Amino acid sequence: DTGVSQNPRHKITKRGQNVTFRCDPISEHNRLYWYRQTLGQGPEFLTYFQNEAQLEKSRLLSDRFSAERPKGSFSTLEIQRTEQGDSAMYLCASSPLTGRSFEKLFFGSGTQLSVL
Amino acid sequence: AQKVTQAQTEISVVEKEDVTLDCVYETRDTTYYLFWYKQPPSGELVFLIRRNSFDEQNEISGRYSWNFQKSTSSFNFTITASQVVDSAVYFCALSEARAGGTSYGKLTFGQGTILTVHP
Repeated sequence: DTGVSQNPRHKITKRGQNVTFRCDPISEHNRLYWYRQTLGQGPEFLTYFQNEAQLEKSRLLSDRFSAERPKGSFSTLEIQRTEQGDSAMYLCASSPLTGRSFEKLFFGSGTQLSVL
Repeated sequence: AQKVTQAQTEISVVEKEDVTLDCVYETRDTTYYLFWYKQPPSGELVFLIRRNSFDEQNEISGRYSWNFQKSTSSFNFTITASQVVDSAVYFCALSEARAGGTSYGKLTFGQGTILTVHP
């Protein structure tokens, strides 16, 4: 079990630029989630995938945000035309698909985005 | 809509003191899960416990204990004999459970409580 891996660890960009983050979940986990955490707040749900299907998106995910999970493995989160308000920690998590109930999320260490 | 409130923004204690972190939640769901996560300075959220809304038994795990009271919508977390390594941000979270007892990982988190344990 190598854990959930996120790259890059930090990203600094200028307003208006596009950025892309990558998440590699735990290999046997079917479900993958993206959360956003701003300073002093708890994580907020953005979207989640079951295998390659994106099943839910939060209203926080504006049309500048897009997430993909090709082939149900790693996932990417792209932000187009970044704004200063996009500055946050972007957390990825995964969980196995179990028959009866959800147990817990396994989180990565996150990608810290700073938009100048 | 779901809501989780952690009224204590920051708590500071001296090593070996007991400390309780409060969590109050709101939900219209009759079936739900409650969680506690720890976020050390490294940033990775570490799972501590999941509690099913059907199960109001208190739980103890080493120095950690949890008190779930459905009547007051609270799920408090106590660390006994705190240690410096317990210093972190602690989050309480809530997840709805779909019909049939399944949920899917969409957690609503509280604002977090920063715990600092001094030597």
